[in-house]
Amino acid sequence: AQTVTQSQPEMSVQEAETVTLSCTYDTSENNYYLFWYKQPPSRQMILVIRQEAYKQQNATENRFSVNFQKAAKSFSLKISDSQLGDTAMYFCACDKLIFGTGTRLQVFP
Amino acid sequence: GAGVSQTPSNKVTEKGKYVELRCDPISGHTALYWYRQSLGQGPEFLIYFQGTGAADDSGLPNDRFFAVRPEGSVSTLKIQRTERGDSAVYLCASSLFPTDTQYFGPGTRLTVL
Repeated sequence: AQTVTQSQPEMSVQEAETVTLSCTYDTSENNYYLFWYKQPPSRQMILVIRQEAYKQQNATENRFSVNFQKAAKSFSLKISDSQLGDTAMYFCACDKLIFGTGTRLQVFP
Repeated sequence: GAGVSQTPSNKVTEKGKYVELRCDPISGHTALYWYRQSLGQGPEFLIYFQGTGAADDSGLPNDRFFAVRPEGSVSTLKIQRTERGDSAVYLCASSLFPTDTQYFGPGTRLTVL
């Protein structure tokens, strides 16, 4: 069975600083996708970034980037130049419909 | 274009009643997913449709839960004999094809009194 683990229930960062959210997963699949989703208080789940497991290059999307370590089954999210609007719950997910328990990120001015 | 929509946004019902929750996916998306999210938790998979058929319903907790997608577009999640433990936010998502990015609706908050 697939599992996704987020070991940081809460994180905080000052505006303009960098923060990294951790995620580890377990899957028996060879080809799969990994996602980071953001869920602000409005509860609308929004895709932040996506990584295809067969690609060695780490995905980047503006201020968001991942550190994908396939052998270690690790998929961390780095947010650079944090903004107040980044405050939200962040969920790591594996494409077989499994989500982690989330990390609550608070960005302080 | 329009995103995924869900109705109602909030539903309050009494224990033992029947409820239906509706999801309108993004036009053209073949895959549709239902999740349940309890307070402080991540989304929990319930069922996934590819076209009109349920490709994976292994997440449905028991036979009180049922979902349909008769024309391969709109889907309805049906809960019979609701229990207080069914209270949660029910999220729907759709994707162009399986394993592609899922786009989520705003959810329906179900409260069973």
